[in-house]
Amino acid sequence: EAQVTQNPRYLITVTGKKLTVTCSQNMNHEYMSWYRQDPGLGLRQIYYSMNVEVTDKGDVPEGYKVSRKEKRNFPLILESPSPNQTSLYFCASHASGFNQPQHFGDGTRLSIL
Amino acid sequence: QKEVEQNSGPLSVPEGAIASLNCTYSDRGSQSFFWYRQYSGKSPELIMFIYSNGDKEDGRFTAQLNKASQYVSLLIRDSQPSDSATYLCAVNYYGGSQGNLIFGKGTKLSVKP
Repeated sequence: EAQVTQNPRYLITVTGKKLTVTCSQNMNHEYMSWYRQDPGLGLRQIYYSMNVEVTDKGDVPEGYKVSRKEKRNFPLILESPSPNQTSLYFCASHASGFNQPQHFGDGTRLSIL
Repeated sequence: QKEVEQNSGPLSVPEGAIASLNCTYSDRGSQSFFWYRQYSGKSPELIMFIYSNGDKEDGRFTAQLNKASQYVSLLIRDSQPSDSATYLCAVNYYGGSQGNLIFGKGTKLSVKP
């Protein structure tokens, strides 16, 4: 089954404790993205990747890091999480081509205390 | 600043009626346009995409694109209570990476039995 898998689905942690949210897709897609979704602000892109070792900032990259060492994986790293990073996070992937839709993971609900 | 604007709603329609959801975008160079449906707490799922001026129909859904007016809409015919969700408009901007999809904040639709 074609899917984008995120882990963990839920995480409660404390300020300053480094964490990683993993994302993996099995569709051999070139493009992968991370979004955060907040009430009243909608979906905002954090980072995206066009292929292995090629990443670029989205609209809200501050406080986040990403890496793309393998085509299927695109982890999101919070080196020193803060409460304003409490949010619902989605990973997505899509094939190359301007009309290719995003395939979303199930989301990670992150709470930073 | 590239923007995608949607009325936040809620838009309330009776069961069986036509629901009309609207979206405007700021950049004339935009290439492709997507409509996603998102149930509360779930990930967005693609309903339709459109990239040519005019109408595109898929079952009860019709997407309409007018590039001159920078306007895209989604019509849902014979609305059902199960259509109650938030509908996200997304735009792929020309010149940016294909991964740089900009989302509107969404319109919440409520279909009353």
